[in-house]
Amino acid sequence: SAVISQKPSRDICQRGTSLTIQCQVDSQVTMMFWYRQQPGQSLTLIATANQGSEATYESGFVIDKFPISRPNLTFSTLTVSNMSPEDSSIYLCSVETSGTSTDTQYFGPGTRLTVL
Amino acid sequence: DAKTTQPNSMESNEEEPVHLPCNHSTISGTDYIHWYRQLPSQGPEYVIHGLTSNVNNRMASLAIAEDRKSSTLILHRATLRDAAVYYCILRDNTGGFKTIFGAGTRLFVKA
Repeated sequence: SAVISQKPSRDICQRGTSLTIQCQVDSQVTMMFWYRQQPGQSLTLIATANQGSEATYESGFVIDKFPISRPNLTFSTLTVSNMSPEDSSIYLCSVETSGTSTDTQYFGPGTRLTVL
Repeated sequence: DAKTTQPNSMESNEEEPVHLPCNHSTISGTDYIHWYRQLPSQGPEYVIHGLTSNVNNRMASLAIAEDRKSSTLILHRATLRDAAVYYCILRDNTGGFKTIFGAGTRLFVKA
């Protein structure tokens, strides 16, 4: 299993600013992911955070808007850049321990972001 | 990614069994069927997964059709705490084992 913490748990930000969200895992993990959940919607995968290399982004998400770092096997950050009200969402960090099709994915509690 | 289809919502009475269906007619031979649920104001949590045979764990049972084109998550005795959105997900190894969420089924449990 894996226990995930995220900071901050919530924030209210002004349009045009940036926010960096931290994800810390209590053990080394193979895979780390970032998801977005807009109000009343399902989860959308933003990117896979790769340790020591650039993140792999899903269609519709770009590095300039959502830069991601993963310096080691237990930590990752997601930055939401040049924010607009449309970025108001819950952002969730997720991990897998082995990266296989049978692996279980664990999720953090999420960061609730409101952009004014 | 292979797609799944689930009803938008279902309702159950407390202490009664719940059968949550999922259709995945384009499933490939190597896709595993995973179920997650998301309780209010929490991140999703793993429920169960299987490939071909029915599976049981302490949370639920998973019944998989013989042709694997559909599956059913079974909660044997629903409690109020089981009110959540349940996601049926197919995982394969072509995209790096990503978990792609569909719309899910919102389960309402009545006391």
